[in-house]
Amino acid sequence: AAGVIQSPRHLIKEKRETATLKCYPIPRHDTVYWYQQGPGQDPQFLISFYEKMQSDKGSIPDRFSAQQFSDYHSELNMSSLELGDSALYFCASSLVSRGVSYQETQYFGPGTRLLVL
Amino acid sequence: GNSVTQMEGPVTLSEEAFLTINCTYTATGYPSLFWYVQYPGEGLQLLLKATKADDKGSNKGFEATYRKETTSFHLEKGSVQVSDSAVYFCALSDPPGYALNFGKGTSLLVTP
Repeated sequence: AAGVIQSPRHLIKEKRETATLKCYPIPRHDTVYWYQQGPGQDPQFLISFYEKMQSDKGSIPDRFSAQQFSDYHSELNMSSLELGDSALYFCASSLVSRGVSYQETQYFGPGTRLLVL
Repeated sequence: GNSVTQMEGPVTLSEEAFLTINCTYTATGYPSLFWYVQYPGEGLQLLLKATKADDKGSNKGFEATYRKETTSFHLEKGSVQVSDSAVYFCALSDPPGYALNFGKGTSLLVTP
């Protein structure tokens, strides 16, 4: 079965640089979520999109932005990178279909490991 | 607000031992509950879920029952294997379909 695809898998950046992470959800899933997991930490919710519109916002820094495109893939843009941004970034997708019926299970991608030097 | 509290690790067990990882939650609504597992260097995999009170989720010998009266969702397995060594996260979504709130994770090490 198709899974969530994330690219790149690993990324090394310098402080103050920018980074773009990509996420390709499971086909026909309508919702994408982004999470950040620091070393030895639990994943923290950043932002989500339902049908290409932002649906929920968590602890996403103002330096970060995200969007979901017409083909449902999503990108997380990170600017002015700081050392503390070094983390594993997960994308998850689900088929929520709000207003009709919903499934709440989120399926996670393998993550992008970002290292800021 | 919503939160999840799970037992601190690491937990070290011998192969074939019984496993319990405690998880309790606080939610403003009626959450869906999940257990995710993370193997070293990998992403999060859904282990099991429950969406209403008294539901029992099960998968690969793991079980957890949604207990609304005690706001708990404890993970159990009757006989662990070395391959079960991983970090286990309890999580909730409230309302269902929205962001997941995770516990801090419990590291499990199973020795031969």
